[in-house]
Amino acid sequence: EVQLVQSGAEVKKPEEFLRISCKGSGYSFTGYWIGWVRQMPGKGLEWMGAIYPGDSDTRYSPSFQGQVTMSADKSISTAYLQWSSLRVSDSAMFYCARLLRGEYLDYWGQGTLVTVSS
Amino acid sequence: QSALTQPRSVSGSPGQSVTISCTGTSSDVGGYNYVSWYQQHPGKAPKLIISDVSKRPSGVPDRFSGSKSDNTASLTISGLQAEDEADYYCCSYAGTYTLVFGGGTKLTVL
Repeated sequence: EVQLVQSGAEVKKPEEFLRISCKGSGYSFTGYWIGWVRQMPGKGLEWMGAIYPGDSDTRYSPSFQGQVTMSADKSISTAYLQWSSLRVSDSAMFYCARLLRGEYLDYWGQGTLVTVSS
Repeated sequence: QSALTQPRSVSGSPGQSVTISCTGTSSDVGGYNYVSWYQQHPGKAPKLIISDVSKRPSGVPDRFSGSKSDNTASLTISGLQAEDEADYYCCSYAGTYTLVFGGGTKLTVL
């Protein structure tokens, strides 16, 4: 069974560092891209970008380029999304999902809620 | 990349059919047969219900169907059930490993 399990909710202060994780199981983790999707409170889904854990090739949406960093550790089947300096406006739910053929997201993690507040 | 355009809300009574539209451009919806739809219940992660314009993943009821004409894709839900009340998002391929989502449509089952 394909599963993506994300790390738990985070409460951070502005300018702090944060890395959230997404662990895949039940399939060849290195053979599929992992996409990240943001959902701000009460709002819709936004495409952030994707990473290929096999070689860490990364593609960012222009809206998120330079704002976040995607990485992966294929030895533990885990993808990461990190912020070097959080802003209040980064508060949102973040989902990872398996990207099939670069076209659609077939399996989703349960989401990680990030709250940034002073 | 601008978000795809969906109606903010639609509604229907149990047993009826509803259609949700999703309008993009020739750079996304109109340019590829790679439109997908996702269902999201409150407090839950999105769930894939349609891929490649009209393909239903295993386990998705055949009450859900998708289509596309030019720059507009559509999701039709027939035989509405109370459990179908959720938010629905369209999504299109828009270039190499680039996706664009619609703004989402809230479906209310009256």
